Amino acid sequence: AQKITQTQPGMFVQEKEAVTLDCTYDTSDPSYGLFWYKQPSSGEMIFLIYQGSYDQQNATEGRYSLNFQKARKSANLVISASQLGDSAMYFCAMREGQGGTSYGKLTFGQGTILTVHP
Amino acid sequence: ETGVTQSPTHLIKTRGQQVTLRCSSQSGHNTVSWYQQALGQGPQFIFQYYREEENGRGNFPPRFSGLQFPNYSSELNVNALELDDSALYLCASSFPLLTSGGSLQETQYFGPGTRLLVL
Repeated sequence: AQKITQTQPGMFVQEKEAVTLDCTYDTSDPSYGLFWYKQPSSGEMIFLIYQGSYDQQNATEGRYSLNFQKARKSANLVISASQLGDSAMYFCAMREGQGGTSYGKLTFGQGTILTVHP
Repeated sequence: ETGVTQSPTHLIKTRGQQVTLRCSSQSGHNTVSWYQQALGQGPQFIFQYYREEENGRGNFPPRFSGLQFPNYSSELNVNALELDDSALYLCASSFPLLTSGGSLQETQYFGPGTRLLVL
């Protein structure tokens, strides 16, 4: 079974509008972390936002917010006020366990290509 | 800027050859991870090093090996290259992030990657 599922191969959004990128995950570990990364065509993975399984509130970082629904095992990324520079591939990833300085493998989804239209 | 650098940026090898990819991170970043990203796919975890020892490995054969050095640099070595080894290889350095939830979590910051083409 896929640990991380991103069902949207591609998404389009108009500049200045909001967009939601979907991510569902599968784990039996009660302690886990969820990450979103942006990958422009240059290839570098850029960290956007983190949500811990025990965090009481949804994470927010500037224009990025994470709609975390633990019971549904979903962690959707919301980008508000889209900009042309947001056009990129977006990956959802999960780390199971406490992390810290221990083994911290990230499992990635297949990604969603976001295109922002002017 | 993540402070993680990788070299070379691009590399072309032929099947059966050996390759060494390099990564350098900032002082104090004791954990480094390597990922392979095939075209159109998400990255796949190869292995992780913590304080110069391998402490986790993904589903990759032994011809993928690594080293981590005291100066916070690391290497990924691949022997007997195969055509399917053509991919973007990403190195990630971990350090704690203060999350919006108020906890410290190890977060992986990636370098720009090395694109390997095996002919």
